Amino acid sequence: GAVVSQHPSWVICKSGTSVKIECRSLDFQATTMFWYRQFPKQSLMLMATSNEGSKATYEQGVEKDKFLINHASLTLSTLTVTSAHPEDSSFYICSARGPVGTSVIKGANTGELFFGEGSRLTVL
Amino acid sequence: DAKTTQPPSMDCAEGRAANLPCNHSTISGNEYVYWYRQIHSQGPQYIIHGLKNNETNEMASLIITEDRKSSTLILPHATLRDTAVYYCIVKSPSSWGKFQFGAGTQVVVTP
Repeated sequence: GAVVSQHPSWVICKSGTSVKIECRSLDFQATTMFWYRQFPKQSLMLMATSNEGSKATYEQGVEKDKFLINHASLTLSTLTVTSAHPEDSSFYICSARGPVGTSVIKGANTGELFFGEGSRLTVL
Repeated sequence: DAKTTQPPSMDCAEGRAANLPCNHSTISGNEYVYWYRQIHSQGPQYIIHGLKNNETNEMASLIITEDRKSSTLILPHATLRDTAVYYCIVKSPSSWGKFQFGAGTQVVVTP
């Protein structure tokens, strides 16, 4: 089945530094990737939509200059948390899907979304 | 996209069927019902989806009412590894992938 992989799985950094998280689609071309954030005991919150070769679209309230997203290829999107602060500590999850109208699951045709394992960021 | 309502939690005995309800009374004709689950500290996992007809796969069954205003996810023989938060999401094909997650149902399977 389709696999989306994130790296690193967890990272600890000092306040003020920048951290990059990678999201890769391993067996399909992901024209669109999505980045979510999840705080403890809360649901996933969509941060931004990343389209290959174009600028990301950010959800309301998400600072685009703080959360830099790059989707340079059909298999890789990166999220960089710049000048991280302790309140940025969270579980960051990416997801990916193929082109609209296609499916990576046999018999399906509705563009299922596949999620990475998540990356836990702790800012000290 | 239509809003969904799920019970916050439910318990299930190991080996028994788990029936997870979801209300989506404002669903429109082209919106699909998706179910995902999230085991603690992992990314969400796709379970099943459907439009009108009932669906079954190796993980679960999805029963959608005739008026499509509600659905039930059935885990036929719950195991301890099925303990997770289960999310019901209604989505139209025009905005595939941009899922908005609600609170979901915390399912705890007990021995």
